[in-house]
Amino acid sequence: EVHVLESGGALVQPGGSLRLSCGASGFIFKNYGMTWVRQAPGQGLEWVSSIDGNTGDTYYADTVRGRFTISRDNSKDTLFLQMNSLTVEDTAIYFCAKLSGFNAYEPLERWGQGTRVTVSS
Amino acid sequence: EVVVTQSPATLSLSPGERATLSCRTSQSVLTYLVWYQQKPGQAPRLLISDVFNRATGIPARFSASGSGTNFTLTISSLEPEDSAVYYCQQRNNWPLTFGGGTKVELK
Repeated sequence: EVHVLESGGALVQPGGSLRLSCGASGFIFKNYGMTWVRQAPGQGLEWVSSIDGNTGDTYYADTVRGRFTISRDNSKDTLFLQMNSLTVEDTAIYFCAKLSGFNAYEPLERWGQGTRVTVSS
Repeated sequence: EVVVTQSPATLSLSPGERATLSCRTSQSVLTYLVWYQQKPGQAPRLLISDVFNRATGIPARFSASGSGTNFTLTISSLEPEDSAVYYCQQRNNWPLTFGGGTKVELK
């Protein structure tokens, strides 16, 4: 069965950094694009970043470009999101999702349960 | 950026009734429009991709239609477990964008 499981969420001060991880199982990880989506408290869904399968081409929302870096380790079936220069506006639950195909723009087929990031002093 | 607008914000209906949710995009996204369901305290779940393709395990009472800028998600006969927030998302243009969601409440 397909599973994705996020980890790494924490309370961090403004200006700080955090690295989220997403472990995958039940599918051939390198063959699928992956995505991070976040949801601020009581709010809707916001796409953050996506990465193609295998080629590693990356895409970012304007709100995080230059501060966040998405990457993947296909040998460990793991997706990462390095988050730097965090602000209170980055406070959210961060979901990792497996896409339905190789390309980064495919539908978000399977979501993890999310990991909570709180940016506060 | 493609702006995605969903309406109504909240839909309050009784079990067995038909629910019609609207999603509009600020420019054509062809048929690259995806619907997700999110129940309280849970992760979103893929419902229907590219207008017509129901995801695995999604009941036949869920259907979608539309193309270009106007799209509709229909739940033909509401069940109690359909109480959730429904989001549409366009995947035709970067950045990927979501609508603000429609909350379906069952009376």
